[in-house]
Amino acid sequence: GAVVSQHPSRVICKSGTSVKIECRSLDFQATTMFWYRQFPKQSLMLMATSNEGSKATYEQGVEKDKFLINHASLTLSTLTVTSAHPEDSSFYICSAITSPSGEQYFGPGTRLTVT
Amino acid sequence: AQSVTQPDIHITVSEGASLELRCNYSYGATPYLFWYVQSPGQGLQLLLKYFSGDTLVQGIKGFEAEFKRSQSSFNLRKPSVHWSDAAEYFCAVGPLNTGTASKLTFGTGTRLQVTL
Repeated sequence: GAVVSQHPSRVICKSGTSVKIECRSLDFQATTMFWYRQFPKQSLMLMATSNEGSKATYEQGVEKDKFLINHASLTLSTLTVTSAHPEDSSFYICSAITSPSGEQYFGPGTRLTVT
Repeated sequence: AQSVTQPDIHITVSEGASLELRCNYSYGATPYLFWYVQSPGQGLQLLLKYFSGDTLVQGIKGFEAEFKRSQSSFNLRKPSVHWSDAAEYFCAVGPLNTGTASKLTFGTGTRLQVTL
């Protein structure tokens, strides 16, 4: 089956710094990737849709200047949390869409802790 | 707007017992329905999905789900639970756009605990 990886799996950063999370489709090309955020014991909330070669589409209430998304190739999307604050601490999960089936495969997630 | 309700936040069953996790959805058109499982600190793994055909869907790890349009439900079942099934289970709904990327709406999840 299709495999999606995320790097890093865990990251701790200081308040005010930026951190980049990578999402890669390992054995398929993905023109579309999704970024989700999951708070402890809660469901996944869609943050944005990442499209290769174009700007990301953000969900209502998500700050595009704070959560920068770059989908530079058909196998890589990055999420950069800029000027991180403790309230940005969360579990970030990406998913990649296969073509033409439209199946969605999820990465293992990245645990971000901002101190 | 579409929504998914998982009424049970936490369920505990004994190993070997049967399991049913409830999922109700609200959707304006024919839905594409999913069940995912998430182990602690991990991403989501697809258990099964439904978009048409036989309303009883078989998935991986011995799970099945039944789509009942009249009840707007898509409950997940397993005849005999194993200790390794302990995890968080999410029901999700998306538009019926096969072949295109679809945003999913997730329920709040049901945490399954299995006692030995």
